[in-house]
Parts: sequence; C-alpha cells; structure tokens
Amino acid sequence: NAGVMQNPRHLVRRRGQEARLRCSPMKGHSHVYWYRQLPEEGLKFMVYLQKENIIDESGMPKERFSAEFPKEGPSILRIQQVVRGDSAAYFCASSDRGYTEAFFGQGTRLTVV
Amino acid sequence: AQSVTQLDSHVSVSEGTPVLLRCNYSSSYSPSLFWYVQHPNKGLQLLLKYTSAATLVKGINGFEAEFKKSETSFHLTKPSAHMSDAAEYFCVVSDRPNQAGTALIFGKGTTLSVSS
Repeated sequence: NAGVMQNPRHLVRRRGQEARLRCSPMKGHSHVYWYRQLPEEGLKFMVYLQKENIIDESGMPKERFSAEFPKEGPSILRIQQVVRGDSAAYFCASSDRGYTEAFFGQGTRLTVV
Repeated sequence: AQSVTQLDSHVSVSEGTPVLLRCNYSSSYSPSLFWYVQHPNKGLQLLLKYTSAATLVKGINGFEAEFKKSETSFHLTKPSAHMSDAAEYFCVVSDRPNQAGTALIFGKGTTLSVSS
C-alpha cells in the first residue's frame, strides 16, 4: 500500500510563473490536507479537501492560491504568478476520516528564483 | 482556540543520555495529540498519538509521551538517545477530531541534536 505521493519533490520556478503541486492520497483515503512549511517554522494549515469539495480553506492566501481534489486523479495545489515569498516546503496529508491520523507525503520543495 | 507551544527550539544531548522534548497545548475540548518527526529533507513521520485512551503513549523507536491534563502537557521522552534520533520534532494538536473543519495545529518544532 503506497503512502501519500507528492510530485515533484523539488520545483524551481521563476517569479511570475505558475506552480502546480500534486498529491495522491493513500489508497482508500478521501480526505486531503495541504500544509506549508516556511524556513525554520512549523507547518501551517492551508486547506482541507474531500473529493470534489473544499471543506476548510481558512489557511489559504486570498489571492494566487487555489486547490482542487477532483473525483478522479490527484489533488492539485496551484500557485499563480509565484513570488519569492512562496518558496517553502508544501506538504500534503491524507486520512480516511476527518482529522484522525493523517499520513504525510515527503513534500514538494518550491524555490522561486 | 487551540494552540501548541514547544518550549525549546533546540535540544542537544549526548548519545546514550535521556531525551526530553517539551510541549504544552491549549484546547477547548478533549484534544488528540501527536508527535511527528522530520529528518532532513524527508517527509513527516508519526511517532505516536494520544486519542483519550491511556495517558502514557508508546511510539516507535523507543519514544513515549505522557498526556497530563492538569498541566496541559504532552512531553516526549526517550531513555537513551541514538545518533539517528537527530531530527526536527513537532508536537501537534487536533481539536474535535471527528468533526470536519478542524485542522492539525503544529508547534514550531524542536531540533534535536545528538553528539557522540
């Protein structure tokens, strides 16, 4: 049973480009969470999704960031017109029910140059 | 509102000596509490979790944590540190875990260094 898969592991984007981060949850999991880890900080919650629904996006920046979890395929975190401050590690987690044990992927490290 | 405070940003121990990583939490309801470990350039791994069962929780790699409601603490301990324990450790709280809309709240992390 594969764990939570995130790709790419590392992503470099120039300022103004778009970044797309993908997360495939563990088999049988329908709850996905995205977190951002800035340098020397703990993880900060961004968004919680179930299949085709955004449940809680209270941690998402109001502009340029969006997330989806379609019926088929991985969850996508999209950052439009990236800026240097978006450089961070983005972690995805999944669970089979809301807020029980969440299993984390290895993260995508985004660098904006 | 729930919150987590990790009292030490950095802890240094010698190999073979005990480890203590301190965590205090604030929660309006009976919380679920977790410790995660992050090795350099790796993902997060769950060490252990407390979900209102036994107050002393045993985890992987010899770690354990004790939930003390009166002190609102959930400190992580290990009797004897190993070099491979050097990593970042996060204390995490989840409020009302079976209710949608509540996210895991992470502490800022404690970096554990182990010297030979």
